[in-house]
Amino acid sequence: NAGVMQNPRHLVRRRGQEARLRCSPMKGHSHVYWYRQLPEEGLKFMVYLQKENIIDESGMPKERFSAEFPKEGPSILRIQQVVRGDSAAYFCASSPGDDQPQHFGDGTRLSIL
Amino acid sequence: GENVEQHPSTLSVQEGDSAVIKCTYSDSASNYFPWYKQELGKRPQLIIDIRSNVGEKKDQRIAVTLNKTAKHFSLHITETQPEDSAVYFCAAWDDYKLSFGAGTTVTVRA
Repeated sequence: NAGVMQNPRHLVRRRGQEARLRCSPMKGHSHVYWYRQLPEEGLKFMVYLQKENIIDESGMPKERFSAEFPKEGPSILRIQQVVRGDSAAYFCASSPGDDQPQHFGDGTRLSIL
Repeated sequence: GENVEQHPSTLSVQEGDSAVIKCTYSDSASNYFPWYKQELGKRPQLIIDIRSNVGEKKDQRIAVTLNKTAKHFSLHITETQPEDSAVYFCAAWDDYKLSFGAGTTVTVRA
């Protein structure tokens, strides 16, 4: 049973470009969560999605950031017009339901030049 | 929303000794408390979790205790080994999401 798959593992973008991060949940998991981790800091919740629905996006900046989890395919976290402050590790986690164990992917390390 | 505080931020122990990390939470409705271990450059890995209807749970050398009245929970690692060196995060389930503590860097000295 494959774990949570994220790609790419590393992504380099120049200021002003767009970044697209992908996450495929574990088989049988319908809940997807995105977290951001700055160097030597904890995990900060960004958004929680189920298929075709955003359930809670209270941790996601109102501008430039968006997320989706379409009926077919992976969940996508999109960051438009990236700035240096967006440099971080972005982790995706999935679970089979509310307050169930969340399992994390390997993350995408985003670097902004 | 939930506020999770974690102490200490760093912990150095001699190999074979015990390590204890403590967390407090603010929302009395929280009912699920996982602990994650993260090695440098790796993913957070779930190592143990506890629900609010249980006071203690043990898995080999690790155990977690929960005091609902005081709203705090703790991770105990016994007979520490060098491979236990990592950052440990506590978390509390809060209304659709996990709120994480700031992490504890554990170093096990050989």
